[in-house]
Amino acid sequence: SQQGEEDPQALSIQEGENATMNCSYKTSINNLQWYRQNSGRGLVHLILIRSNEREKHSGRLRVTLDTSKKSSSLLITASRAADTASYFCATDRSGSNYQLIWGAGTKLIIKP
Amino acid sequence: ETGVTQTPRHLVMGMTNKKSLKCEQHLGHNAMYWYKQSAKKPLELMFVYNFKEQTENNSVPSRFSPECPNSSHLFLHLHTLQPEDSALYLCASSQERVRTDTQYFGPGTRLTVL
Repeated sequence: SQQGEEDPQALSIQEGENATMNCSYKTSINNLQWYRQNSGRGLVHLILIRSNEREKHSGRLRVTLDTSKKSSSLLITASRAADTASYFCATDRSGSNYQLIWGAGTKLIIKP
Repeated sequence: ETGVTQTPRHLVMGMTNKKSLKCEQHLGHNAMYWYKQSAKKPLELMFVYNFKEQTENNSVPSRFSPECPNSSHLFLHLHTLQPEDSALYLCASSQERVRTDTQYFGPGTRLTVL
């Protein structure tokens, strides 16, 4: 069953604006990861946040985690055309030491 | 480049064909994975190998047959596929088979079954 669910399914914004994507999950997790996928390509790891962390930054990326609401958000500030991609969250699966459970992704389009 | 390569990048095959997908990682990782990605669906984990041993088979039909001759190479042998098997097949690797490990993905093979 699907663990992570991204919201919205698609997002279109102007270059320079901030983009926010959300991920909700159902069961307790140990960590949550965000990945980016450019059209028709493989996924690239962006950031990992552990269950005892509330916020993490990496360049223009800011990830928050609210374990009480079982949700995470990915904020991309000052968006660029190169940020156009699909973004996926992945959570570890209870009872499995290595399986990641993936959402269906948010498709982000940055308009020049 | 992520250090994981996949060939071919595109493959069109009939339902009676036999073909193989190849994945190679140059990262010195010990775990390798096959995923299936269909449009608007979450990634589906198919197989996991750790130190060349298959450790996970997520109820994948037998028409998909994985092979891992060493820690750097992973194959997916295909035979008698169905049109619904058309998808992007992604290979990934990680240092170890643990939940906190980052997975490094190849560019994928776009498979079309006619």
